[in-house]
Amino acid sequence: KNEVEQSPQNLTAQEGEFITINCSYSVGISALHWLQQHPGGGIVSLFMLSSGKKKHGRLIATINIQEKHSSLHITASHPRDSAVYICAVQTPNTGNQFYFGTGTSLTVIP
Amino acid sequence: DAEITQSPRHKITETGRQVTLACHQTWNHNNMFWYRQDLGHGLRLIHYSYGVHDTNKGEVSDGYSVSRSNTEDLPLTLESAASSQTSVYFCASSEGTYNEQFFGPGTRLTVL
Repeated sequence: KNEVEQSPQNLTAQEGEFITINCSYSVGISALHWLQQHPGGGIVSLFMLSSGKKKHGRLIATINIQEKHSSLHITASHPRDSAVYICAVQTPNTGNQFYFGTGTSLTVIP
Repeated sequence: DAEITQSPRHKITETGRQVTLACHQTWNHNNMFWYRQDLGHGLRLIHYSYGVHDTNKGEVSDGYSVSRSNTEDLPLTLESAASSQTSVYFCASSEGTYNEQFFGPGTRLTVL
């Protein structure tokens, strides 16, 4: 059983579309992270959230602690946004270790 | 610029051999982590360290060991490589418990 579930697993969008990736978790958390894994394999951190909403450029991340749910939105999507997006949670009961979802593979077509 | 590096980037070895993967960071971060990434699984924690001489087991630590003799390095050793350890390995570091993690470029290990 995975503590973190992401949907959809795969997503194809046309350039310019608004994209939403969802993350649900089943445990109490101290923080939630969104990461991006590039086609070449490199992983970068996008957001760390413990409540509310954060925005960086065309990316917006929201979290609802009561519903144990987070979303990552991409506005005006572009082919360079094509990547795997990974949700991860830190759980206080396990020393704030990270638990990762299996990722959402996004392809944006020109 | 500060960075985190891994070596080698690719490694092919045989079952039963000892293998060491290197991780070096110049962020001066106390926290360092080793993960493996396999198809169908998210990243899974192997070992982690919160400072020099501190090491802790993660979710999938069997068959792996680490040591932390300085701030910059956390080498991962596979004592006797098994085919089930074929994977992509990522090292990461962070400044503190509630900070973003910075990931290395990954090492692709194949055990034949």
